[in-house]
Amino acid sequence: AQTVTQSQPEMSVQEAETVTLSCTYDTSESDYYLFWYKQPPSRQMILVIRQEAYKQQNATENRFSVNFQKAAKSFSLKISDSQLGDAAMYFCALDSNYQLIWGAGTKLIIKP
Amino acid sequence: DTGVSQNPRHKITKRGQNVTFRCDPISEHNRLYWYRQTLGQGPEFLTYFQNEAQLEKSRLLSDRFSAERPKGSFSTLEIQRTEQGDSAMYLCASSPELGPSGRTTYNEQFFGPGTRLTVL
Repeated sequence: AQTVTQSQPEMSVQEAETVTLSCTYDTSESDYYLFWYKQPPSRQMILVIRQEAYKQQNATENRFSVNFQKAAKSFSLKISDSQLGDAAMYFCALDSNYQLIWGAGTKLIIKP
Repeated sequence: DTGVSQNPRHKITKRGQNVTFRCDPISEHNRLYWYRQTLGQGPEFLTYFQNEAQLEKSRLLSDRFSAERPKGSFSTLEIQRTEQGDSAMYLCASSPELGPSGRTTYNEQFFGPGTRLTVL
């Protein structure tokens, strides 16, 4: 069975600092996609960053980057220069063809 | 607004009543998904359509749940004889059949704001 595990229910970071959110997954597929989604309070889920498993290069999107370790099945998200608007639930998700397999989420708190 | 829309945004109902939710996907997306999300958890897959065909249903989708996408555009999710355990956020998402790279396995899903159901 495919699973996604986020072991940090909550993380906090000082504004302008860097924070890393952890995600591990399990799949028997060799080609797959991994995503980080952000869900602000009372707002809809939006895609933060995407990683193709066949690419060795880690994806980056402005202040957001990932550390993708395929052998270890690890997919962490690094947020640099944290901003108040980054406060949200962050979900790691594994693409399983027709559906996404989701982790339980990490609540990110930004301290001003 | 060209994003995914869902109506209603909130629904409060009494146990035993039937409720229906609507999802309008991004117009050029032929895949549509329904998820359920309870507080503090990630979304749980319920069902998936490709055009008007319902291709997969989760075991979470009991006989009281039914989803349709009659013309391959909007979709409805109906819950009959609601129970308190049905209280949750119901999320709809859509995706194109092919991602920007043209790979069929690419599955970036675009989410609507959700319908929050409260069963009293």
